[in-house]
Amino acid sequence: DAKTTQPTSMDCAEGRAANLPCNHSTISGNEYVYWYRQIHSQGPQYIIHGLKNNETNEMASLIITEDRKSSTLILPHATLRDTAVYYCIVRRNTGFQKLVFGTGTRLLVSP
Amino acid sequence: NAGVTQTPKFQVLKTGQSMTLQCAQDMNHEYMSWYRQDPGMGLRLIHYSVGAGITDQGEVPNGYNVSRSTTEDFPLRLLSAAPSQTSVYFCASMNSGGTDTQYFGPGTRLTVL
Repeated sequence: DAKTTQPTSMDCAEGRAANLPCNHSTISGNEYVYWYRQIHSQGPQYIIHGLKNNETNEMASLIITEDRKSSTLILPHATLRDTAVYYCIVRRNTGFQKLVFGTGTRLLVSP
Repeated sequence: NAGVTQTPKFQVLKTGQSMTLQCAQDMNHEYMSWYRQDPGMGLRLIHYSVGAGITDQGEVPNGYNVSRSTTEDFPLRLLSAAPSQTSVYFCASMNSGGTDTQYFGPGTRLTVL
């Protein structure tokens, strides 16, 4: 599975968009980009995933560059409850789905 | 659906004691797994199962045993607890194949003295 690189921490004002970048320059053609988050002491929560097209759901949007070497998770209107560690994970969609978690990005949303 | 449940939520053990962390899911998922998370670090895979009767090792399997006698349950056994096993343990499940997501339980916080 491809390795990912994320900033250690980011800040965002409440109500503003939070844009979390992820670099996955060694991604393979059959690997998907997944985003999870972990709110303090809770189990990780799935947010969104994509292969090469941009994706949007009720939680967030995922923008994947054309060369697929990086992506950005967008929380359009961050709230205090979005304060969490966000993990960008790249994995294939075959076989057991082992998730390789790095240290993620710690997002702090402030009033 | 209750999703993925884990018991206990908290546990304190003495070095050398054994115990079983329980995990159950009611979504009829084939795949189940156990992760541990040490302070300030990401999750690391301990063991996983792709179906009843089938288990395999992850990244950090030493000191842990698992079994999968039913689709619903995937207990994790600590054979002889050590302080290095102090961690938060998460169980997860998902459907086999495709791009389905993993669902995580709330975690068990284990301290080994």
